[in-house]
Amino acid sequence: GDSVTQMEGPVTLSEEAFLTINCTYTATGYPSLFWYVQYPGEGLQLLLKATKADDKGSNKGFEATYRKETTSFHLEKGSVQVSDSAVYFCALSTTSGTYKYIFGTGTRLKVLA
Amino acid sequence: DSGVTQTPKHLITATGQRVTLRCSPRSGDLSVYWYQQSLDQGLQFLIQYYNGEERAKGNILERFSAQQFPDLHSELNLSSLELGDSALYFCASSPTWAGRINEQFFGPGTRLTVL
Repeated sequence: GDSVTQMEGPVTLSEEAFLTINCTYTATGYPSLFWYVQYPGEGLQLLLKATKADDKGSNKGFEATYRKETTSFHLEKGSVQVSDSAVYFCALSTTSGTYKYIFGTGTRLKVLA
Repeated sequence: DSGVTQTPKHLITATGQRVTLRCSPRSGDLSVYWYQQSLDQGLQFLIQYYNGEERAKGNILERFSAQQFPDLHSELNLSSLELGDSALYFCASSPTWAGRINEQFFGPGTRLTVL
């Protein structure tokens, strides 16, 4: 079945460091791909999305490109801030008509000042 | 604020009990999804409703049930509760127009603790 694999966390970086969180997927058809962010004590917020191959989603300095050839959707940011500390979830939306999400396990990011 | 509301925010109950979690979707959204977030299972899809009809089922236990009412709010009923049901339960809703139909907006969640 469909699945999403994320890199294990936690990831600890210094402020202004470069961030990459790896995400790969297995799916039939052509899923849409998402990154969600969860701040402590809060729900999930959509960070960015891509709906077809080679699409690049971007928001708040974060970027991810839908790579069909490598079945990947890695999250990147050039310069992280302390306020980026959160848990990041990669997800795919199935194309079976229900659009339910399949999530990765989440990657906790901690940014130190 | 996503526009999705969930009540209550916290719920503490005992094993064997039954609880009801409530969700109100964003105005105009017809689809409601329920997810369970636990430490050992991560975020798991439970069930989806679309305009009052069940659309899809995921890893939902038989002790759990849900419904969506004519005003589009949804309730998730959990019965014969076990310690392992302790988790965060999220509700999400999605728009119905093309281009955003697979974009989900999440509520703040209900944290259920079973003692």
